[in-house]
Amino acid sequence: SQQGEEDPQALSIQEGENATMNCSYKTSINNLQWYRQNSGRGLVHLILIRSNEREKHSGRLRVTLDTSKKSSSLLITASRAADTASYFCATILFGKLIFGQGTELSVKP
Amino acid sequence: NAGVTQTPKFQVLKTGQSMTLQCAQDMNHEYMSWYRQDPGMGLRLIHYSVGAGITDQGEVPNGYNVSRSTTEDFPLRLLSAAPSQTSVYFCASSYSLSGGTEAFFGQGTRLTVV
Repeated sequence: SQQGEEDPQALSIQEGENATMNCSYKTSINNLQWYRQNSGRGLVHLILIRSNEREKHSGRLRVTLDTSKKSSSLLITASRAADTASYFCATILFGKLIFGQGTELSVKP
Repeated sequence: NAGVTQTPKFQVLKTGQSMTLQCAQDMNHEYMSWYRQDPGMGLRLIHYSVGAGITDQGEVPNGYNVSRSTTEDFPLRLLSAAPSQTSVYFCASSYSLSGGTEAFFGQGTRLTVV
């Protein structure tokens, strides 16, 4: 079973809008990571947030973590067509890096 | 710095054939892993290794073998290919899982079993 599950599965927005993706997980974690995948290519690491952090920023990305709710969110502000990709959260479960099913983001010009 | 290199990029196999997907990294990473990605299923872990000589099963290990004789290489062997193994395969490596370091991915191998 998946440790992390993203919501929504797909998201379509206009350029300039904000995109929010959510990830829920089942067990306690030390950190949670977000990755991006462009159309069938390898995943690229975006950001890591540790369990003692509540919020983290990187450029137009903002990640939050709520350990009491076992959930995280990724916000992309002022989205661009180039942000079109799939986004995955990942956590470590019993020594294994496990990914969720991903959110497919489409940003229309 | 090449990162994680996977070969081949594309492969077509006949049912019952065997083959090895190659994965090499030049970052001296201890942790390496193989995933398969199918539509709507995200990435599922096949096998992983925490160091040379140490491998373990992931979520979907059946039909696959791995070995880790060196830190750099982590090949994935399909013993007897089946159509259900048609997928995109990704190799990943990271310095350490316990430290929460990022994983680096190869560009993938698109495998079709006919």
